Amino acid sequence: QKEVEQNSGPLSVPEGAIASLNCTYSDRVSQSFFWYRQYSGKSPELIMSIYSNGDKEDGRFTAQLNKASQYVSLLIRDSQPSDSATYLCAVIHSGGSNYKLTFGKGTLLTVNP
Amino acid sequence: DTGVSQDPRHKITKRGQNVTFRCDPISEHNRLYWYRQTLGQGPEFLTYFQNEAQLEKSRLLSDRFSAERPKGSFSTLEIQRTEQGDSAMYLCASSLATGYGYTFGSGTRLTVV
Repeated sequence: QKEVEQNSGPLSVPEGAIASLNCTYSDRVSQSFFWYRQYSGKSPELIMSIYSNGDKEDGRFTAQLNKASQYVSLLIRDSQPSDSATYLCAVIHSGGSNYKLTFGKGTLLTVNP
Repeated sequence: DTGVSQDPRHKITKRGQNVTFRCDPISEHNRLYWYRQTLGQGPEFLTYFQNEAQLEKSRLLSDRFSAERPKGSFSTLEIQRTEQGDSAMYLCASSLATGYGYTFGSGTRLTVV
């Protein structure tokens, strides 16, 4: 069973701080990694994708991938109350099902004003 | 609106009734996915279509569930003889190619009473 693990939280940070969200995955040869944001009662929204080792920055968001450690993270700089949501890590594994996203359970982030 | 559309947004049904949900993907996306999400969990894969061909069905999709995508455009997900355990958010997503993140629709929230 190919798995994606996240700390369910909740993670609470003050406004303006850096929020760090972590994810590990079991399939060593996974190729594609994604972070989705999901507000309560809403559907997931893609915010970052990363495919190679290192950092990828987009505005206040930075995704970090370390394939040797099977670890992917999301940093949110200058956190805002509007960032309060559940963040889902998702992985596309290798092999025949290379279209299927496997999700973690998500980490609930609360940004306190 | 060029996003993924799902209908209805909410459905309340009595146990034992049949329900059908519709998904209209982004027009240029030939890949379509159905996922199910329950409270506190990440989305779980149900089935995948490439054009009109259903290429994978999860073991989560019991005999009471059927999905179709006639002519490779919209898709329907039918649940027969609904059970209380079917209560969940049913999410449809589409993508342009494998290996890339999906765009999700707003979801259909099913409540079986």
